[in-house]
Amino acid sequence: AQSVTQPDIHITVSEGASLELRCNYSYGATPYLFWYVQSPGQGLQLLLKYFSGDTLVQGIKGFEAEFKRSQSSFNLRKPSVHWSDAAEYFCAVGLNYGGSQGNLIFGKGTKLSVKP
Amino acid sequence: EPEVTQTPSHQVTQMGQEVILRCVPISNHLYFYWYRQILGQKVEFLVSFYNNEISEKSEIFDDQFSVERPDGSNFTLKIRSTKLEDSAMYFCASSGVLEYNEQFFGPGTRLTVL
Repeated sequence: AQSVTQPDIHITVSEGASLELRCNYSYGATPYLFWYVQSPGQGLQLLLKYFSGDTLVQGIKGFEAEFKRSQSSFNLRKPSVHWSDAAEYFCAVGLNYGGSQGNLIFGKGTKLSVKP
Repeated sequence: EPEVTQTPSHQVTQMGQEVILRCVPISNHLYFYWYRQILGQKVEFLVSFYNNEISEKSEIFDDQFSVERPDGSNFTLKIRSTKLEDSAMYFCASSGVLEYNEQFFGPGTRLTVL
């Protein structure tokens, strides 16, 4: 069965430090991969997505993620964290039904705290 | 920038009552979804809707749940007889034809069942 694992429940980093949030997936076909961010009381905002092509994808707010098929991973990175990045981050796999729309399967999320 | 909207933001109801959660998807989108997030847990898929019918549903989406697109703009989720375990944040999402699975989420409705 398809699944998404985010092994870190909570991460704290200092402002200005680099960040990497881990995501591993289990899916038999070519995955469509996403990272969403959720600020307290807010909905889910798409940070970036991977469909095909270049395995390093750039997103909004200075985030990037790298798809590694051999490791079934899609880790999110940011070189320098800002206090406003404190939020919960969700990795998701989009199911692929031969190109038709499929639902998203989410990981449990990683809560990011930023120290001044 | 177009966005998905949801009403109400918070709904409190008594166990056994019917609730209707409302969503207005982005206007040119054709695929609509409901997800829920129980407090402290991950976001779970409930149902997807396309061309005026359910295209996919999860095990969670049992006979107590139904969806409808009553007009050209609204997309609703009805829970016929709420249970305590239905307490959750419910998110509506929509996507267009070209942006495969790039789903745009609303701010959510927090449902509290007492």
